[in-house]
Amino acid sequence: QKEVEQNSGPLSVPEGAIASLNCTYSDRVSQSFFWYRQYSGKSPELIMSIYSNGDKEDGRFTAQLNKASQYVSLLIRDSQPSDSATYLCAVMPPGAGSYQLTFGKGTKLSVIP
Amino acid sequence: NAGVMQNPRHLVRRRGQEARLRCSPVKGHSHVYWYRQLPEEGLKFMVYLQKENIIDESGMPKERFSAEFPKEGPSILRIQQVVRGDSAAYFCASSPGGLTYGYTFGSGTRLTVV
Repeated sequence: QKEVEQNSGPLSVPEGAIASLNCTYSDRVSQSFFWYRQYSGKSPELIMSIYSNGDKEDGRFTAQLNKASQYVSLLIRDSQPSDSATYLCAVMPPGAGSYQLTFGKGTKLSVIP
Repeated sequence: NAGVMQNPRHLVRRRGQEARLRCSPVKGHSHVYWYRQLPEEGLKFMVYLQKENIIDESGMPKERFSAEFPKEGPSILRIQQVVRGDSAAYFCASSPGGLTYGYTFGSGTRLTVV
C-alpha cells in the first residue's frame, strides 16, 4: 500500500516567518514529487515539483527531497497571510505508463498577520 | 489556453437519482484522473483513464459508479442511484503523461444529495 503522510496541522506561523511543511512516503522507489496548494473551497494548484535529491527554489518556495530518508519538504520564506491554505504533498511511483499521483491528506497552514 | 473544464460546478440530486459529471482535459492531455474529496479530508483517488481505456479503477466503488473517456468528447463520471454518502467534491485532473508532469485540476463539481 503506497502511503504519503503529512502532519494535518494546523501549522501557525507569524507573517514574515519561514513555514516548514513535511511529508514522508512509503514507496522508496518513487521518483517524482509535487506540492499543491488548496485554498478552502477551491481546487488544488500545483506550486512545486522536484525529482532529484537536494533543494529546488522558486521564488519564496523551496522544495527539499531526501530519497534515502523518504521525505520531501516545502519551505515558504517570508510567509504572507495569502499563503494560508492547505498544502498537499503528492508522490508519483515509477512504473511504465502509470502516472497516478498518491496524495497526502494535507497540512493546513495559517499565517498570522 | 483553457485549463481543465468541469461541469456542472454544483449539482443537487435526490436520493436514487443519477449524477453525471463531465470533464474536458487540457488540450493535448490524454490522461484523466478523477478524485473525490470530503470536507476536511484529503483527495481520494477514484479512477485513471486514457482515451477509450480505463487504466486503473481501483479507487472507484464497483457498484453504482462508472467512468469513461471516449475518443471524442469529455470524460464522464457517472453515479447511479445516488445516496447521501456520495455528497462530496469531485475533482478531475489531466496530464500529458510522463514522470515530470504534475496534474492540472479542474474547479470541481460539488455534489449534494438530498
